[in-house]
Amino acid sequence: SQKIEQNSEALNIQEGKTATLTCNYTNYSPAYLQWYRQDPGRGPVFLLLIRENEKEKRKERLKVTFDTTLKQSLFHITASQPADSATYLCAHGGGGGNKLTFGTGTQLKVEL
Amino acid sequence: NAGVMQNPRHLVRRRGQEARLRCSPMKGHSHVYWYRQLPEEGLKFMVYLQKENIIDESGMPKERFSAEFPKEGPSILRIQQVVRGDSAAYFCASSQPRFATNEKLFFGSGTQLSVL
Repeated sequence: SQKIEQNSEALNIQEGKTATLTCNYTNYSPAYLQWYRQDPGRGPVFLLLIRENEKEKRKERLKVTFDTTLKQSLFHITASQPADSATYLCAHGGGGGNKLTFGTGTQLKVEL
Repeated sequence: NAGVMQNPRHLVRRRGQEARLRCSPMKGHSHVYWYRQLPEEGLKFMVYLQKENIIDESGMPKERFSAEFPKEGPSILRIQQVVRGDSAAYFCASSQPRFATNEKLFFGSGTQLSVL
């Protein structure tokens, strides 16, 4: 079955730097990947979706790439701010309807 | 435009009691999903429902857990005879009724279930 793997170690970066988070998948390439942000005690919030035939997708300071050769998606936050501190989840659709399978998430901390 | 509403926000139960978690999807959404999140673990899919139908319950434990989404009213996740291992955050999500399989999910704030 398909697995989604994210680096479980927290990522600490300085304000203003670019944060890069990794999402790896096994087996077949999913038709799309989604990225969500989750704050403590809250539900995930959708950020970006990238399809298999798209190399890159951007939204303001966010950028997502999809490399089917490496079986990997990278999530970038440029000019990071302390308010970007949160856990970021990668997810793919693996079943009927919109059922999503999530990775365990990577915690990002942006320090002053 | 209210988002996905879950209640209660926190629920405390003693072992053996029943827990009922409620979820009202966003207006216009007819697809509901329930996920469970344990500390240090990812979101685990439990069940996917449309109005009056269970579409996929492959993530539901075989016993004690059930879900419904009636024609009128919220979706209910019911856990009978709770055990300590049921303690977790339970999230509900909803999506629009489209045939495309890449719709984003809108999540509620979750119900934190604590079993004493």
